[in-house]
Amino acid sequence: GNSVTQMEGPVTLSEEAFLTINCTYTATGYPSLFWYVQYPGEGLQLLLKATKADDKGSNKGFEATYRKETTSFHLEKGSVQVSDSAVYFCALRNNQGGKLIFGQGTELSVKP
Amino acid sequence: EAGVVQSPRYKIIEKKQPVAFWCNPISGHNTLYWYRQNLGQGPELLIRYENEEAVDDSQLPKDRFSAERLKGVDSTLKIQPAELGDSAVYLCASSLDTFPGQGSYEQYFGPGTRLTVT
Repeated sequence: GNSVTQMEGPVTLSEEAFLTINCTYTATGYPSLFWYVQYPGEGLQLLLKATKADDKGSNKGFEATYRKETTSFHLEKGSVQVSDSAVYFCALRNNQGGKLIFGQGTELSVKP
Repeated sequence: EAGVVQSPRYKIIEKKQPVAFWCNPISGHNTLYWYRQNLGQGPELLIRYENEEAVDDSQLPKDRFSAERLKGVDSTLKIQPAELGDSAVYLCASSLDTFPGQGSYEQYFGPGTRLTVT
C-alpha cells in the first residue's frame, strides 16, 4: 500500500543554517506530494505541493522537488529562522483523490 | 474567509463515557475528512465524506465510532464508549474537489480537538 517515510527528529539547527528533511514514499501510479507544517498550538497548514515528476514546490523560502526515480520529496531551506521551529509532515495523495497519507512528522527546532 | 472550525478544542473524559466532536468546514467545500493524530505520529484518516455521503470509512472503528454529515455541511464524530487508547487529537479537514478524482486539491485543516481519556 501507499506509505510515506520521513527522517526522524528532532532536528536542531542554528539560525541561518541549511535545512534538509528527507521524505521518501511508496505509491502506485503518480501521486501528488505535499509538505504540511504544524506550528506550536496551531493546526496543519499546507507549506508546498507538487503534482507530477520533476515539479518543484516552493513557499516561504522552502522548496521540494518531486523525484520519481528516487521516490523522494525532500524539503530544503537555505537559511532557517527561529520562526521556522515547527513539526513538518510529508504526505501523498493518489490521483484518484481521497485521503492524505502522512509521514510521522519531523520536529525542527531553530536556536538563535 | 473563515477556516475550518472545530469544537471543543479540548476534552477530558473518563473511559466508557461518550464524547462528540463537531466540525464546520469552509463554506462551499464539498469534501470533509476526519483524521486522528496520535502523539508523535502523522494524522490517519477515519472517514471521508463527499457531500453527505461517506465514501471512505474503512478505517473507522465502527463498533464504537460513528459520524454524520447532515445536509452535506457540518459534521459530528462520536465515540461511545471511549477507551484509553482513543486519547489523541481529532482533526477535521475540508477541500473543494471540483473534479472528484483529482489528487492535488488542497485540504484545509481545523485546529483539532485534543481528547484525553482517563
